[in-house]
Amino acid sequence: GAVVSQHPSRVICKSGTSVKIECRSLDFQATTMFWYRQFPKQSLMLMATSNEGSKATYEQGVEKDKFLINHASLTLSTLTVTSAHPEDSSFYICSARGSGDYPEAFFGQGTRLTVV
Amino acid sequence: GQNIDQPTEMTATEGAIVQINCTYQTSGFNGLFWYQQHAGEAPTFLSYNVLDGLEEKGRFSSFLSRSKGYSYLLLKELQMKDSASYLCAGIDSNYQLIWGAGTKLIIKP
Repeated sequence: GAVVSQHPSRVICKSGTSVKIECRSLDFQATTMFWYRQFPKQSLMLMATSNEGSKATYEQGVEKDKFLINHASLTLSTLTVTSAHPEDSSFYICSARGSGDYPEAFFGQGTRLTVV
Repeated sequence: GQNIDQPTEMTATEGAIVQINCTYQTSGFNGLFWYQQHAGEAPTFLSYNVLDGLEEKGRFSSFLSRSKGYSYLLLKELQMKDSASYLCAGIDSNYQLIWGAGTKLIIKP
């Protein structure tokens, strides 16, 4: 299957700082990328959907000024958690989908963010 | 509204067979995914069904009935490593994924 690489896998940051998470599709062009967060023992929660070259569409309740998403190319999307707080500590996962009839979404490895 | 329902937790014995059910209600339908997720890891793709019937892939099979809004994931010859959460996700008319809460599968020796 296709490969989506997410980096870093783990990050610990101080409260008030910003953290950038990268999501790359390595062997296909990702026309759409999705960003999820997942709290322990809970399901995936979609934060935003981004299409290459356009602004991300955020889900209700997700602060767009706090979670900055950039999808500047067909192989790279970034999520920046700005002014992080302990309640932002979570597992963040990206997924990428190419064009075509097969709408499979491939997931990155996830990023465990801990804000102290 | 759109909704995916699946059991919260199931328990099965090593070597046995288990069926995880999923019912869905989506605005339009463009298929259904099953993913496996081990604790602390991202989901991994298991299957995609868009037509009615059974798709078999080794020990795992997935079934879809569009008229009933129903799918199941069948796991045979269960192994301890199959202990994980299994996520059902429907694809609506806008190609958005609608996720179920996941079924935690516990395998006992």
